[in-house]
Amino acid sequence: QSALTQPRSVSGSPGQSVTISCTGTSSDVGGYNCVSWYQQHPGKAPKLMIYDVSKRPSGVPDRFSGSKSGNTASLTISGLQAEDEADYYCCSYAGSYTLVFGTGTKVTVL
Amino acid sequence: QVQLVESGGGVVQPGGSLRLSCTASGFSFNSYGTHWVRQAPGKGLEWVAFIRYDGNNKYYADYVKGRFTISRDNSKNTLYLQMDSLRVEDTAVYYCAKDWPNWASDIWGQGTMVTVSS
Repeated sequence: QSALTQPRSVSGSPGQSVTISCTGTSSDVGGYNCVSWYQQHPGKAPKLMIYDVSKRPSGVPDRFSGSKSGNTASLTISGLQAEDEADYYCCSYAGSYTLVFGTGTKVTVL
Repeated sequence: QVQLVESGGGVVQPGGSLRLSCTASGFSFNSYGTHWVRQAPGKGLEWVAFIRYDGNNKYYADYVKGRFTISRDNSKNTLYLQMDSLRVEDTAVYYCAKDWPNWASDIWGQGTMVTVSS
Protein backbone atom coordinates (compact mmCIF):
# COMPACT_ATOMS: atom_id res chain seq x y z
CA GLN A 1 0.00 0.00 0.00
CA SER A 2 2.56 2.57 -1.11
CA ALA A 3 1.30 6.11 -1.58
CA LEU A 4 0.74 7.32 -5.12
CA THR A 5 3.42 9.74 -6.31
CA GLN A 6 2.53 13.41 -6.86
CA PRO A 7 4.80 16.42 -7.39
CA ARG A 8 5.36 18.29 -4.15
CA SER A 9 4.28 21.61 -5.64
CA VAL A 10 3.10 23.32 -8.80
CA SER A 11 2.44 26.98 -9.44
CA GLY A 12 0.90 29.26 -12.00
CA SER A 13 -0.33 32.77 -12.54
CA PRO A 14 -4.02 33.64 -12.51
CA GLY A 15 -5.67 32.52 -15.74
CA GLN A 16 -3.00 29.96 -16.54
CA SER A 17 -3.39 26.19 -16.48
CA VAL A 18 -1.60 23.76 -14.20
CA THR A 19 -1.52 19.97 -14.29
CA ILE A 20 -0.87 17.66 -11.37
CA SER A 21 0.27 14.11 -12.04
CA CYS A 22 -0.47 11.08 -9.89
CA THR A 23 1.60 7.98 -10.60
CA GLY A 24 0.76 4.56 -9.26
CA THR A 25 0.95 1.00 -10.51
CA SER A 26 -1.13 -1.50 -12.44
CA SER A 27 -2.55 -2.60 -9.06
CA ASP A 28 -4.18 0.73 -8.38
CA VAL A 29 -4.33 3.66 -10.83
CA GLY A 30 -3.69 1.51 -13.88
CA GLY A 31 -6.01 -1.27 -12.87
CA TYR A 32 -9.23 0.61 -12.12
CA ASN A 33 -11.13 3.65 -13.33
CA CYS A 34 -11.70 4.66 -9.71
CA VAL A 35 -9.41 7.65 -9.40
CA SER A 36 -10.61 10.66 -7.46
CA TRP A 37 -9.12 14.05 -6.64
CA TYR A 38 -9.56 16.16 -3.50
CA GLN A 39 -8.90 19.79 -2.73
CA GLN A 40 -7.92 20.70 0.81
CA HIS A 41 -7.55 24.21 2.18
CA PRO A 42 -5.55 24.67 5.41
CA GLY A 43 -7.43 23.44 8.44
CA LYS A 44 -10.34 22.20 6.38
CA ALA A 45 -11.69 18.81 5.38
CA PRO A 46 -10.96 17.52 1.88
CA LYS A 47 -13.45 18.33 -0.88
CA LEU A 48 -14.19 15.97 -3.75
CA MET A 49 -13.30 17.58 -7.09
CA ILE A 50 -13.14 14.64 -9.53
CA TYR A 51 -14.32 11.03 -9.37
CA ASP A 52 -14.20 8.09 -11.78
CA VAL A 53 -11.05 9.62 -13.34
CA SER A 54 -12.81 12.49 -15.09
CA LYS A 55 -16.30 13.15 -13.67
CA ARG A 56 -17.12 16.31 -11.73
CA PRO A 57 -19.55 16.36 -8.82
CA SER A 58 -22.30 18.92 -8.95
CA GLY A 59 -21.01 22.36 -8.04
CA VAL A 60 -17.37 21.83 -9.04
CA PRO A 61 -16.33 24.33 -11.73
CA ASP A 62 -15.59 22.93 -15.17
CA ARG A 63 -12.13 24.48 -14.86
CA PHE A 64 -11.23 21.25 -13.11
CA SER A 65 -10.73 18.20 -15.32
CA GLY A 66 -9.23 14.76 -14.89
CA SER A 67 -7.70 12.13 -17.12
CA LYS A 68 -5.68 8.94 -16.98
CA SER A 69 -3.10 7.21 -19.12
CA GLY A 70 -1.70 3.89 -18.02
CA ASN A 71 -0.57 4.09 -14.41
CA THR A 72 -0.69 7.90 -14.26
CA ALA A 73 -3.71 10.07 -13.58
CA SER A 74 -3.76 13.84 -13.99
CA LEU A 75 -5.76 16.78 -12.69
CA THR A 76 -5.76 19.96 -14.76
CA ILE A 77 -6.92 23.31 -13.44
CA SER A 78 -7.62 25.74 -16.27
CA GLY A 79 -8.06 29.45 -15.78
CA LEU A 80 -6.33 29.34 -12.40
CA GLN A 81 -7.97 31.49 -9.72
CA ALA A 82 -6.73 32.68 -6.34
CA GLU A 83 -9.18 30.41 -4.51
CA ASP A 84 -7.64 27.37 -6.21
CA GLU A 85 -4.55 27.73 -4.02
CA ALA A 86 -4.70 24.62 -1.84
CA ASP A 87 -3.35 21.11 -1.42
CA TYR A 88 -4.59 18.49 -3.87
CA TYR A 89 -4.63 14.73 -3.34
CA CYS A 90 -5.34 11.94 -5.76
CA CYS A 91 -6.85 8.68 -4.57
CA SER A 92 -7.28 5.31 -6.22
CA TYR A 93 -9.04 2.07 -5.48
CA ALA A 94 -6.30 -0.51 -4.93
CA GLY A 95 -8.28 -3.74 -4.93
CA SER A 96 -9.56 -5.87 -2.04
CA TYR A 97 -11.72 -2.99 -0.81
CA THR A 98 -8.73 -0.75 -0.05
CA LEU A 99 -7.81 2.78 -1.08
CA VAL A 100 -4.51 4.54 -1.54
CA PHE A 101 -3.94 8.30 -1.53
CA GLY A 102 -1.32 10.33 -3.28
CA THR A 103 1.47 12.19 -1.52
CA GLY A 104 -0.23 15.53 -2.12
CA THR A 105 0.57 18.60 -4.21
CA LYS A 106 0.56 22.21 -3.08
CA VAL A 107 -0.82 24.51 -5.75
CA THR A 108 0.38 28.09 -5.51
CA VAL A 109 -1.23 30.94 -7.43
CA LEU A 110 1.50 33.48 -8.16
CA GLN B 1 -28.30 19.33 6.10
CA VAL B 2 -26.08 16.56 4.86
CA GLN B 3 -23.19 16.15 7.26
CA LEU B 4 -20.87 13.91 9.22
CA VAL B 5 -19.69 14.92 12.68
CA GLU B 6 -16.78 13.17 14.39
CA SER B 7 -16.13 13.09 18.10
CA GLY B 8 -14.04 11.22 20.65
CA GLY B 9 -10.57 12.50 19.89
CA GLY B 10 -8.12 13.40 22.61
CA VAL B 11 -4.73 12.73 24.16
CA VAL B 12 -3.79 9.16 25.04
CA GLN B 13 -0.58 7.45 26.11
CA PRO B 14 1.19 4.94 23.86
CA GLY B 15 -0.43 1.54 24.25
CA GLY B 16 -3.74 3.10 25.20
CA SER B 17 -7.17 2.98 23.58
CA LEU B 18 -9.66 5.46 22.20
CA ARG B 19 -13.02 5.17 20.44
CA LEU B 20 -14.01 7.65 17.78
CA SER B 21 -17.59 8.25 16.68
CA CYS B 22 -19.00 9.75 13.50
CA THR B 23 -22.68 10.71 13.41
CA ALA B 24 -24.43 11.16 10.08
CA SER B 25 -27.42 13.31 9.25
CA GLY B 26 -29.29 14.46 6.14
CA PHE B 27 -28.87 11.27 4.11
CA SER B 28 -29.62 7.55 4.29
CA PHE B 29 -26.60 6.46 6.32
CA ASN B 30 -27.56 2.80 6.06
CA SER B 31 -27.26 2.88 2.28
CA TYR B 32 -23.60 3.80 2.02
CA GLY B 33 -20.25 2.39 2.95
CA THR B 34 -18.05 4.63 5.07
CA HIS B 35 -14.32 5.23 5.45
CA TRP B 36 -11.97 6.46 8.12
CA VAL B 37 -9.10 8.55 6.73
CA ARG B 38 -6.38 10.19 8.80
CA GLN B 39 -3.89 13.00 8.38
CA ALA B 40 -0.82 13.36 10.57
CA PRO B 41 0.21 16.95 11.36
CA GLY B 42 1.69 18.53 8.25
CA LYS B 43 1.36 15.28 6.29
CA GLY B 44 -0.89 13.84 3.60
CA LEU B 45 -4.12 11.88 3.70
CA GLU B 46 -3.93 8.20 4.63
CA TRP B 47 -6.73 5.68 4.25
CA VAL B 48 -7.43 3.73 7.44
CA ALA B 49 -10.49 1.52 7.09
CA PHE B 50 -13.77 0.90 5.26
CA ILE B 51 -17.05 -0.70 6.27
CA ARG B 52 -19.82 -1.69 3.91
CA TYR B 53 -23.30 -0.17 4.27
CA ASP B 54 -24.64 -3.11 6.24
CA GLY B 55 -21.60 -3.55 8.47
CA ASN B 56 -21.05 -7.10 7.31
CA ASN B 57 -17.63 -6.52 5.75
CA LYS B 58 -14.72 -4.50 7.09
CA TYR B 59 -11.36 -3.72 5.56
CA TYR B 60 -8.21 -2.18 6.99
CA ALA B 61 -4.90 -0.70 5.99
CA ASP B 62 -1.99 -2.94 6.97
CA TYR B 63 -0.62 -0.40 9.46
CA VAL B 64 -3.77 -0.58 11.64
CA LYS B 65 -4.87 -4.17 11.03
CA GLY B 66 -5.24 -6.03 14.31
CA ARG B 67 -5.23 -2.79 16.35
CA PHE B 68 -8.18 -0.81 15.00
CA THR B 69 -11.79 -1.97 14.59
CA ILE B 70 -14.36 -0.22 12.43
CA SER B 71 -18.04 -0.73 13.17
CA ARG B 72 -21.38 0.97 12.68
CA ASP B 73 -24.82 1.20 14.26
CA ASN B 74 -27.27 2.06 11.52
CA SER B 75 -30.07 2.52 14.06
CA LYS B 76 -28.07 5.42 15.48
CA ASN B 77 -26.64 6.66 12.15
CA THR B 78 -23.22 6.31 13.71
CA LEU B 79 -19.84 4.99 12.61
CA TYR B 80 -17.14 4.00 15.09
CA LEU B 81 -13.41 3.42 15.16
CA GLN B 82 -12.06 1.53 18.14
CA MET B 83 -8.34 2.18 18.37
CA ASP B 84 -6.26 -0.07 20.61
CA SER B 85 -2.51 -0.42 21.16
CA LEU B 86 -2.05 3.15 20.00
CA ARG B 87 1.35 4.29 18.81
CA VAL B 88 2.92 7.73 18.56
CA GLU B 89 2.67 7.43 14.77
CA ASP B 90 -1.13 7.15 15.02
CA THR B 91 -1.23 10.83 15.97
CA ALA B 92 -3.44 12.50 13.36
CA VAL B 93 -6.72 14.17 12.54
CA TYR B 94 -9.19 11.39 11.85
CA TYR B 95 -11.92 11.99 9.27
CA CYS B 96 -14.95 9.89 8.48
CA ALA B 97 -16.09 10.02 4.86
CA LYS B 98 -19.14 8.69 3.02
CA ASP B 99 -18.31 6.40 0.12
CA TRP B 100 -19.92 7.63 -3.07
CA PRO B 101 -19.52 7.05 -5.86
CA ASN B 102 -17.16 4.26 -6.80
CA TRP B 103 -14.61 4.63 -4.03
CA ALA B 104 -14.71 8.41 -3.95
CA SER B 105 -16.02 10.33 -0.93
CA ASP B 106 -18.44 13.20 -1.48
CA ILE B 107 -19.12 13.95 2.20
CA TRP B 108 -16.44 14.37 4.88
CA GLY B 109 -16.62 15.23 8.54
CA GLN B 110 -14.65 18.08 10.06
CA GLY B 111 -12.19 15.69 11.68
CA THR B 112 -11.22 14.87 15.26
CA MET B 113 -7.66 15.10 16.58
CA VAL B 114 -5.98 12.11 18.20
CA THR B 115 -2.68 12.68 19.96
CA VAL B 116 -0.65 9.72 21.21
CA SER B 117 2.01 10.95 23.57
CA SER B 118 3.57 10.11 26.89
